[in-house]
Amino acid sequence: KNEVEQSPQNLTAQEGEFITINCSYSVGISALHWLQQHPGGGIVSLFMLSSGKKKHGRLIATINIQEKHSSLHITASHPRDSAVYICAVLRYGGSQGNLIFGKGTKLSVKP
Amino acid sequence: NAGVTQTPKFQVLKTGQSMTLQCAQDMNHNSMYWYRQDPGMGLRLIYYSASEGTTDKGEVPNGYNVSRLNKREFSLRLESAAPSQTSVYFCASSGERRGRDFYEQYFGPGTRLTVT
Repeated sequence: KNEVEQSPQNLTAQEGEFITINCSYSVGISALHWLQQHPGGGIVSLFMLSSGKKKHGRLIATINIQEKHSSLHITASHPRDSAVYICAVLRYGGSQGNLIFGKGTKLSVKP
Repeated sequence: NAGVTQTPKFQVLKTGQSMTLQCAQDMNHNSMYWYRQDPGMGLRLIYYSASEGTTDKGEVPNGYNVSRLNKREFSLRLESAAPSQTSVYFCASSGERRGRDFYEQYFGPGTRLTVT
């Protein structure tokens, strides 16, 4: 079983819809990282969080340490949000090199 | 401020050839990383360097060597390329920011390598 699981693997939405992407993990962590990979391949950091909730524009990330679960929400989705969203966890006690990555959720937003 | 840069963007090698992927960052970060990304799999760490002069193996180091030339540059070398090393390679860096406990990683644009 993978240590970091994302769901769904693929998601198609209509423009304007509220989107939720989930990440569950099975190891103790110090922090969780949400990344966005554009269709052209570039990877951009969205959030790094260790508790609670963070918001940036239309993106909201939450984490529940006890339940070992995080969600990434996109409000008022737009076709430019189409990308692969990757969850990665920093294993507790590990160095910065110990990020464990999920396989990603491919989001397609239709106009 | 270019962030993290990688060269080349694309490369085709024959089995047994060698090459070096170059990575540089201008954010004064201490830590640098090399990852590979394969279809259907998450990013996997090849090597990382926590500071100038130090390197450590990641999850998939076999067939690769690295050099942390200075604080800015971290190169990845394939001594004898194999078809199994066909992949997209990403370099990343991270560093301390005031008030932050955990350090976000910043990624380069990637190198698409094909070994025939």
